[in-house]
Amino acid sequence: GAVVSQHPSWVICKSGTSVKIECRSLDFQATTMFWYRQFPKQSLMLMATSNEGSKATYEQGVEKDKFLINHASLTLSTLTVTSAHPEDSSFYICSARGQGHGNTEAFFGQGTRLTVV
Amino acid sequence: EDQVTQSPEALRLQEGESSSLNCSYTVSGLRGLFWYRQDPGKGPEFLFTLYSAGEEKEKERLKATLTKKESFLHITAPKPEDSATYLCAVLGPGAQKLVFGQGTRLTINP
Repeated sequence: GAVVSQHPSWVICKSGTSVKIECRSLDFQATTMFWYRQFPKQSLMLMATSNEGSKATYEQGVEKDKFLINHASLTLSTLTVTSAHPEDSSFYICSARGQGHGNTEAFFGQGTRLTVV
Repeated sequence: EDQVTQSPEALRLQEGESSSLNCSYTVSGLRGLFWYRQDPGKGPEFLFTLYSAGEEKEKERLKATLTKKESFLHITAPKPEDSATYLCAVLGPGAQKLVFGQGTRLTINP
């Protein structure tokens, strides 16, 4: 399968600060990237879908001003959690889909554990 | 609306005890059904894609099958390292996003 690299693996930040998470497709061009949030022992909750060069499409209930998504290139998307609060603490996972995989398969990054103190 | 239901929610097996996980789905036109494995604290790892009823795919001790209404993930003679949460997802026509089931937490006891 294709490789998606997510960085950092974990981050601790102070309440009120912003934190950026990067997601890179290492061996394919990701035309579409997805950002998920996962709570303990629950399935993945889609936050937003982004196509390269376009604005992200956010799922209902996700604050677009709080979770800024940028997909400026075919290999990189970033998620910035602005003015983070303890309730934003969670496991964030990115996923990428590219042209070279029949445009159906999506591959996931390793995830980022965010803790806001 | 596309829906995916996985059962059971959790499954405990003894090492070597074969079993199957179920993924029932409702989608107007299936573009693909996907199985992933997720270990605690990690992102999902891609296992299989199935596109049409009757299709089967195998990888080591895992075999995925597909009908028009459901998919099974068969685990033959599992080992403790097969313990993980297994996620099923579908992609509908014209859709970009996957619809996931809640997952099956599989534990293999030595």
